[in-house]
Amino acid sequence: QKEVEQDPGPLSVPEGAIVSLNCTYSNSAFQYFMWYRQYSRKGPELLMYTYSSGNKEDGRFTAQVDKSSKYISLFIRDSQPSDSATYLCAMSEGYNNNDMRFGAGTRLTVKP
Amino acid sequence: ETGVTQTPRHLVMGMTNKKSLKCEQHLGHNAMYWYKQSAKKPLELMFVYSLEERVENNSVPSRFSPECPNSSHLFLHLHTLQPEDSALYLCASSQDNNQPQHFGDGTRLSIL
Repeated sequence: QKEVEQDPGPLSVPEGAIVSLNCTYSNSAFQYFMWYRQYSRKGPELLMYTYSSGNKEDGRFTAQVDKSSKYISLFIRDSQPSDSATYLCAMSEGYNNNDMRFGAGTRLTVKP
Repeated sequence: ETGVTQTPRHLVMGMTNKKSLKCEQHLGHNAMYWYKQSAKKPLELMFVYSLEERVENNSVPSRFSPECPNSSHLFLHLHTLQPEDSALYLCASSQDNNQPQHFGDGTRLSIL
């Protein structure tokens, strides 16, 4: 079993749709959860991070963590063509870049 | 120029060639990283340098050799690579290992 599982997609939605991106994980000790966005021909950029369980909202983006199910989600409201990118989840036990585990990324296309 | 800069952006080399990838960061960070990103696979951490000392080497084949001459520059020396080494090589930096990483846009490496 992979430590972090993420459906690679591709996922295609119409503009304005609500997008749900998800990752599951096997290590119950993970406490820090991140979402990165990677545009084509660019490096990943940190979008959001959360600690432990709960929700975190930033504009149109909401990150959700369910530790009991070992499941994290990123919701994008009112999706825009500019949201088209690959979204990577990442997680670690302590916040230590040396121990970060990444998902394979989900490729999202938002069509006008 | 600000951020993390990687050169070259694209590299095609034969299996017997020797080449180097370069990374430069203008953020005043103390930690630098090399990652390998293959299609539909998670980011793989290859090497970590903190204050110019190598602190992590995740079982990377010896045909990859990192060098960190100072806190702003990181190199990845390549020799006698294999076709499976074709991938996007990403450099990242952070203030320290417990702070968010900033990624460069990567070098797309193709081994013939």
